[in-house]
Amino acid sequence: GAVVSQHPSRVICKSGTSVKIECRSLDFQATTMFWYRQFPKQSLMLMATSNEGSKATYEQGVEKDKFLINHASLTLSTLTVTSAHPEDSSFYICSARDETGGNSPLHFGNGTRLTVT
Amino acid sequence: SQKIEQNSEALNIQEGKTATLTCNYTNYSPAYLQWYRQDPGRGPVFLLLIRENEKEKRKERLKVTFDTTLKQSLFHITASQPADSATYLCALAGFQKLVFGTGTRLLVSP
Repeated sequence: GAVVSQHPSRVICKSGTSVKIECRSLDFQATTMFWYRQFPKQSLMLMATSNEGSKATYEQGVEKDKFLINHASLTLSTLTVTSAHPEDSSFYICSARDETGGNSPLHFGNGTRLTVT
Repeated sequence: SQKIEQNSEALNIQEGKTATLTCNYTNYSPAYLQWYRQDPGRGPVFLLLIRENEKEKRKERLKVTFDTTLKQSLFHITASQPADSATYLCALAGFQKLVFGTGTRLLVSP
């Protein structure tokens, strides 16, 4: 089945530094990938839609200069948290579909636990 | 405003019983609804999709119903096992994206 690989699984960084998270579709091509954020005991909140070869589409309230998204190929999207602060500590999860159309299921990576000290 | 509600309290049941989880929504007219399973510290895993014109969908021990009049979906796990313990999320289709409920944690005790 379709596999989405996310790296790193955990990262601890100091306040003010930047962190890059990679999301790869291993056995399918993904023109669109989605980045979610999840706080403890809360739902997945969509942050942005990553589009291969074009700019990402950000959800309302998500700072595009804070959360930089690059979708340089059909199998790789990256999320960079710039100038991280403790309030950015969260669980970040990427996902992708392996076929066009809105109703196919999402395949998720295993998430990245970011802790900003 | 649009809202998806799942019971935030954990559901505790005994092994072998049927677990029933509820997903209610307001101010949505989704073309389809999906259910996912999420284990602690992991990404969600897709389980079932049901379209608006389908009343019921089954897959092995899983059954999903979709009532667009009540704006509700029910997710059943029959003959539950301790390995079924996880958080179950419902997700509604928006345009090219899914919106997730908060999930309900299921605990199946032996």
